[in-house]
Amino acid sequence: NAGVTQTPKFQVLKTGQSMTLQCAQDMNHEYMSWYRQDPGMGLRLIHYSVGAGITDQGEVPNGYNVSRSTTEDFPLRLLSAAPSQTSVYFCASSYWGRDAEAFFGQGTRLTVV
Amino acid sequence: GQQVMQIPQYQHVQEGEDFTTYCNSSTTLSNIQWYKQRPGGHPVFLIQLVKSGEVKKQKRLTFQFGEAKKNSSLHITATQTTDVGTYFCASPLQGAQKLVFGQGTRLTINP
Repeated sequence: NAGVTQTPKFQVLKTGQSMTLQCAQDMNHEYMSWYRQDPGMGLRLIHYSVGAGITDQGEVPNGYNVSRSTTEDFPLRLLSAAPSQTSVYFCASSYWGRDAEAFFGQGTRLTVV
Repeated sequence: GQQVMQIPQYQHVQEGEDFTTYCNSSTTLSNIQWYKQRPGGHPVFLIQLVKSGEVKKQKRLTFQFGEAKKNSSLHITATQTTDVGTYFCASPLQGAQKLVFGQGTRLTINP
């Protein structure tokens, strides 16, 4: 049981490049989400999904796309990276329900130069 | 903006001193969760509070949920170096599943 797996752990991009951050969970969780963590800003929700085929925007969605074709996978795409997207990205998953605890991946540290 | 405001942003204590972090919301919360993130690590769930006035303890950690369900606190008694990290509160946005986090309180400890 691996939990929530994020890849890569580290990435350096040039401004304008695109890339996909991968997230997979093996707990059959309905709910998955992406957060970014910046100093002094806490964890800010980018996008989330309540099940396969359903996604919605969080607090800071601009510059990011997501899709949820399977229950297990929830990739985050940066279409044209900008220095403002330098951050640590966390994927999380949980069972459906407002009382469900979130399980986090190890994080991806992204630097855009 | 964020639903829950967390203070202080930073706290430095001597080992053995107590530590408290607070979360406040302008709206009634359905529940509040607390997470701990060790330096370089990822957030890990600690506990959830659901009932008005609820108090829960985990060894030296005491969690409280306010009577109006608009505020919460985490108190650590006699801190140890293993308590170092950032503590986050989180709550589901009203009427939605999505979990919104406070800004976090970073705790550092002088041994």
